[in-house]
Amino acid sequence: DIQMTQSPSTLSASVGDRVTITCRASQNINSWLAWYQQKPGKAPKILIHKASSLESGVPSRFSGSGSGTEFTLTISSLQPDDFATYYCQQYNSYSITFGQGTRLEIK
Amino acid sequence: EVQLVESGGGLVQPGGSLRLSCVASGFTFSDHYMDWIRQAPGKGLEWVGRTRKKANSYTTEYAASVKGRFTVSRDDSKNSLYLQMNSLRTEDTAVYYCARVSSTWNAYFDCWGQGTLVTVSS
Repeated sequence: DIQMTQSPSTLSASVGDRVTITCRASQNINSWLAWYQQKPGKAPKILIHKASSLESGVPSRFSGSGSGTEFTLTISSLQPDDFATYYCQQYNSYSITFGQGTRLEIK
Repeated sequence: EVQLVESGGGLVQPGGSLRLSCVASGFTFSDHYMDWIRQAPGKGLEWVGRTRKKANSYTTEYAASVKGRFTVSRDDSKNSLYLQMNSLRTEDTAVYYCARVSSTWNAYFDCWGQGTLVTVSS
């Protein structure tokens, strides 16, 4: 299986900050990467697909980049609603895998 | 409105069985691959399995951790997805989500259910 490694595991930031989360794949996944946001007790919500395509209805402060094995999710100016856990997911292979998650908390 | 609603979770003893259901509405269910994903308490997301659509012969894929014990199936006439779970283990305790695969060529999850909790314990 393709291993997905996110960093950092926890990120403390303030409203208005620019933050970046990194996701690394153990092998080439081209651009077949998605990012999800999950809040406590809720299902994940899609933010970005195909590495850099913003899902309809998602605020433009979210952006994704990368290809191959290294990817990033950037939030340009943190809003109170953005404090949550973020997961990357590869769908290059039939055996789908997720990163372990990055918890974004208020500093 | 696109909606997925899971049901069937509950408490089951190790070695037991349980069948989860997911009813879809607001879209053409038969056009989409459908997946199950789970999340153990306080842990991350783990993909469980997939059923493809009729045009792909309803073929299935499974995570190694559940292969041979779990079966994903669907009934397009009822807009329903199922997960039959046999030989359950304590490590199968999790919230189970059904999710819609966006398209066959860009196969991310664009819609999730609210989840149903399965607890495996004696």
